[in-house]
Amino acid sequence: DVKVTQSSRYLVKRTGEKVFLECVQDMDHENMFWYRQDPGLGLRLIYFSYDVKMKEKGDIPEGYSVSREKKERFSLILESASTNQTSMYLCASLNTEAFFGQGTRLTVV
Amino acid sequence: GENVEQHPSTLSVQEGDSAVIKCTYSDSASNYFPWYKQELGKGPQLIIDIRSNVGEKKDQRIAVTLNKTAKHFSLHITETQPEDSAVYFCAASREAGSYQLTFGKGTKLSVIP
Repeated sequence: DVKVTQSSRYLVKRTGEKVFLECVQDMDHENMFWYRQDPGLGLRLIYFSYDVKMKEKGDIPEGYSVSREKKERFSLILESASTNQTSMYLCASLNTEAFFGQGTRLTVV
Repeated sequence: GENVEQHPSTLSVQEGDSAVIKCTYSDSASNYFPWYKQELGKGPQLIIDIRSNVGEKKDQRIAVTLNKTAKHFSLHITETQPEDSAVYFCAASREAGSYQLTFGKGTKLSVIP
């Protein structure tokens, strides 16, 4: 069974902290994505990666960075967390269809 | 770039009735249109997709129609059941597997027993 695993379901972090969200896929997909999901705004693309060490900005990259050192792992980094980054974060990998992780609900206080 | 509009944002139906969710897209080069279902506490999951060489596709109680001329596509769920309650997302891209997959904002469907 295809699997995309996000390291945490729930996270609470303080303003100004550096936050790492980890995502691992076991399907050998080249394309991986990080989305942010907010009520009424749908899925907004933060960053995506189409190969190891390759990355592209999505629609809302400000305040975020990513790392793809290995094909199966794609990390989202909040350099200095702020309260407006409180959200649900979804990781996905893609071949002909997108497979999503279960999401990480991040609260920044 | 592509822009996908989805309506309605919320939809309530009685169990057994039909539900229809509509999406429009802007890029005439888009050829692949998937639909995702997100149940509470889970990530979205592909439920059906359609390519531009097909006007309609069915899978049991779910069907998708595509009007390429008008640039709109719709999801139809018949004989709705409480387990159909979820958030549904439409999406569009130029081809299946393209990383340029643009999502609509989602429709929250509630099926009332």
